[in-house]
Amino acid sequence: SQQGEEDPQALSIQEGENATMNCSYKTSINNLQWYRQNSGRGLVHLILIRSNEREKHSGRLRVTLDTSKKSSSLLITASRAADTASYFCATDTNTGNQFYFGTGTSLTVIP
Amino acid sequence: DTGVSQNPRHKITKRGQNVTFRCDPISEHNRLYWYRQTLGQGPEFLTYFQNEAQLEKSRLLSDRFSAERPKGSFSTLEIQRTEQGDSAMYLCASSFGQGENTEAFFGQGTRLTVV
Repeated sequence: SQQGEEDPQALSIQEGENATMNCSYKTSINNLQWYRQNSGRGLVHLILIRSNEREKHSGRLRVTLDTSKKSSSLLITASRAADTASYFCATDTNTGNQFYFGTGTSLTVIP
Repeated sequence: DTGVSQNPRHKITKRGQNVTFRCDPISEHNRLYWYRQTLGQGPEFLTYFQNEAQLEKSRLLSDRFSAERPKGSFSTLEIQRTEQGDSAMYLCASSFGQGENTEAFFGQGTRLTVV
């Protein structure tokens, strides 16, 4: 079964608003990554946060990680129509080299 | 080097035919991954190479699937006797690392349609 699960499955907001997506996972991890995927395209790497980090920023993105709750959140501030995409979290594990993806959050930003 | 390159971008094949996809990773990356993604789902892990060694294979990778990375650079994924259930986007990713995983960068994918 997939390791990461994103919540909500779908999110629709107005341009300029903030968007928050959550990811929960099941087993201990070394790091967690967030990706964006535009319809029918490949995945674009957004940010990686390690298990010993609690918060990380990159431009309009803010990622938090709570290893005690096995969860992470991705905040996109001041959203733009171009942010419309699916967002996935990917977790590795202490035992393997593969990344596990959830089913993603579909974000729609309305101009 | 502009990133991970996958060819072809699209492939339509008849059921029972064999298909082969190619992935060219970012040049200095020693790790290479293959994933499969169906509509509305997240990518599912298929296999992982470190240099030329195939170190992990998913149970999703049936006997009809084979992957190679002969010189530790490009990789190929072959599907023999394709079935309609093989229709999906096949994604390749690469990264550089010796210990813990680092950022993995994905190609645009090869979309396979089996008719």
